[in-house]
Amino acid sequence: GQQVMQIPQYQHVQEGEDFTTYCNSSTTLSNIQWYKQRPGGHPVFLIQLVKSGEVKKQKRLTFQFGEAKKNSSLHITATQTTDVGTYFCAGGAGGYQKVTFGIGTKLQVIP
Amino acid sequence: KAGVTQTPRYLIKTRGQQVTLSCSPISGHRSVSWYQQTPGQGLQFLFEYFSETQRNKGNFPGRFSGRQFSNSRSEMNVSTLELGDSALYLCASSVEGPSYNEQFFGPGTRLTVL
Repeated sequence: GQQVMQIPQYQHVQEGEDFTTYCNSSTTLSNIQWYKQRPGGHPVFLIQLVKSGEVKKQKRLTFQFGEAKKNSSLHITATQTTDVGTYFCAGGAGGYQKVTFGIGTKLQVIP
Repeated sequence: KAGVTQTPRYLIKTRGQQVTLSCSPISGHRSVSWYQQTPGQGLQFLFEYFSETQRNKGNFPGRFSGRQFSNSRSEMNVSTLELGDSALYLCASSVEGPSYNEQFFGPGTRLTVL
């Protein structure tokens, strides 16, 4: 079945440094979603990418979907303490199929 | 619009017992998915219901089951609880399905099996 690998699992950065998490799927995806889960909270939707090579920005966050639609990345510029949490990617096979979540990257920001 | 609600928020059970968890999706959302979240395994997909039918199923034993009612509310049941079933159980609703639309997660039910 479809597998979605996500690295790194943990990342500590100094406030102001950049941060990137990567997702790789074993199969070609129809779309990829990104979620953020704050400590003690539940996952919250950030964005969905559907087109090959797509790049979307949300303030300091940049999301990319690979040309082959098998990989994706989330980059945060100049991290802030409010960025703390676990970032999950979720690969969609399309249609009425499920999405498969990566294991998540836990981001700690040191003030 | 009210968000996704889950009840109860916390449960403590002993091995061998059974448990039923409830999820009320956002109004107008017909798809409800259930996930098990544990520290080492991330979010593991249990099943998805759409218009009262199970549309997708993950790789969990038959002890895990669910259903959806005509008002889109969903329940999941775990029978013969094992210690390894201790986890945060999250439900998520979406308009048409998790691969189509964003999912809105509930706060989860924290299940502890002793």
